[in-house]
Amino acid sequence: KAGVTQTPRYLIKTRGQQVTLSCSPISGHRSVSWYQQTPGQGLQFLFEYFSETQRNKGNFPGRFSGRQFSNSRSEMNVSTLELGDSALYLCASSLGARVGQETQYFGPGTRLLVL
Amino acid sequence: DQQVKQNSPSLSVQEGRISILNCDYTNSMFDYFLWYKKYPAEGPTFLISISSIKDKNEDGRFTVFLNKSAKHLSLHIVPSQPGDSAVYFCAAGGGSQGNLIFGKGTKLSVKP
Repeated sequence: KAGVTQTPRYLIKTRGQQVTLSCSPISGHRSVSWYQQTPGQGLQFLFEYFSETQRNKGNFPGRFSGRQFSNSRSEMNVSTLELGDSALYLCASSLGARVGQETQYFGPGTRLLVL
Repeated sequence: DQQVKQNSPSLSVQEGRISILNCDYTNSMFDYFLWYKKYPAEGPTFLISISSIKDKNEDGRFTVFLNKSAKHLSLHIVPSQPGDSAVYFCAAGGGSQGNLIFGKGTKLSVKP
């Protein structure tokens, strides 16, 4: 079974631009969660989508948004990029019945650098 | 306020010895706990999990212990191997949380 895939793997943007990241979950998984990892920090939860609906949201500004498609693929968008948005963005998928009580499987991440 | 804490940023162990990684949590409603391993430039890889109805779960060289009264869990790796060198994250979920909460990680170095 193919794992979680994320595209692109690396991205360089400038301040003020916007960016869209993509995530394809493991086949049969209906929940997709997004995390931001910065140096010295753990994985900071952004949001979680299930059946095309945002089910949970972390404490990030509205510049961070996402969506999920009917095939469970998900995209994350960051508008008006700031230098502090430079990070590794990770996507994780799970079956979705009870996200806080099931194993999430991670993709390789997208490394975003904002100049 | 950090709900999941890994107080040791780093740990160094000799090959063949035991590695013990620790994690503390504050939310008594957490009832599912996981450990992930992460190599640089890769996503975290799931290692082992435990639900709150158990106090121990074992998978090969990896054993997770849960002490609910102390709100503490630990990961034991025996014997440690150089390939185990990575950052280890603990995570917790359950209660009113609709998502997993991760610690900041502990960097394990296993020296040959």
